[in-house]
Amino acid sequence: DAKTTQPPSMDCAEGRAANLPCNHSTISGNEYVYWYRQIHSQGPQYIIHGLKNNETNEMASLIITEDRKSSTLILPHATLRDTAVYYCIVRVGGATNKLIFGTGTLLAVQP
Amino acid sequence: GAGVSQTPSNKVTEKGKYVELRCDPISGHTALYWYRQSLGQGPEFLIYFQGTGAADDSGLPNDRFFAVRPEGSVSTLKIQRTERGDSAVYLCASSLTISQPQHFGDGTRLSIL
Repeated sequence: DAKTTQPPSMDCAEGRAANLPCNHSTISGNEYVYWYRQIHSQGPQYIIHGLKNNETNEMASLIITEDRKSSTLILPHATLRDTAVYYCIVRVGGATNKLIFGTGTLLAVQP
Repeated sequence: GAGVSQTPSNKVTEKGKYVELRCDPISGHTALYWYRQSLGQGPEFLIYFQGTGAADDSGLPNDRFFAVRPEGSVSTLKIQRTERGDSAVYLCASSLTISQPQHFGDGTRLSIL
């Protein structure tokens, strides 16, 4: 699975959009980009995933560049409850489906 | 609906003891995963079950660790002769099929004294 690079931490003002970047320059054509988040003392929570097209659900939007070497997770209106560690993961479809986590980005939403 | 349930939520035991950690996946989910998370790190994969069989156990650190899923639902992670380095949060996840997103429980925090 391709390696991902994320900033260790970011701040965002409550009510503003949070844009979390992820680099995955060695991604292969059959690898998906997944985003999870982990709030303190809880298990990771699935947010969204995509292959090449942009995706949106009730939690967030995922923007994948045309060359697929980077992506951005967008939380449109961040709240204090969105403070968490956000993990960007690249995974090959099928086979084991195991997730390889890095150290993620700690997003701190400020009041 | 009910999510992934892990018991106990906390376990404290002495070095050298045997422990069992239980995972109840979401009903109907065929795939089940165990991960381990040390302080300040992301979760690390341990083992994956498809149905009753362990399809990938490449993440188990050594032969003191073993996991079963005898009826294709509940899984138990077993650790023999525990060591202080085994202290971590043990997370379980399940997915409907291998290609669907994994959903995690809140983990068991294991402390070896």
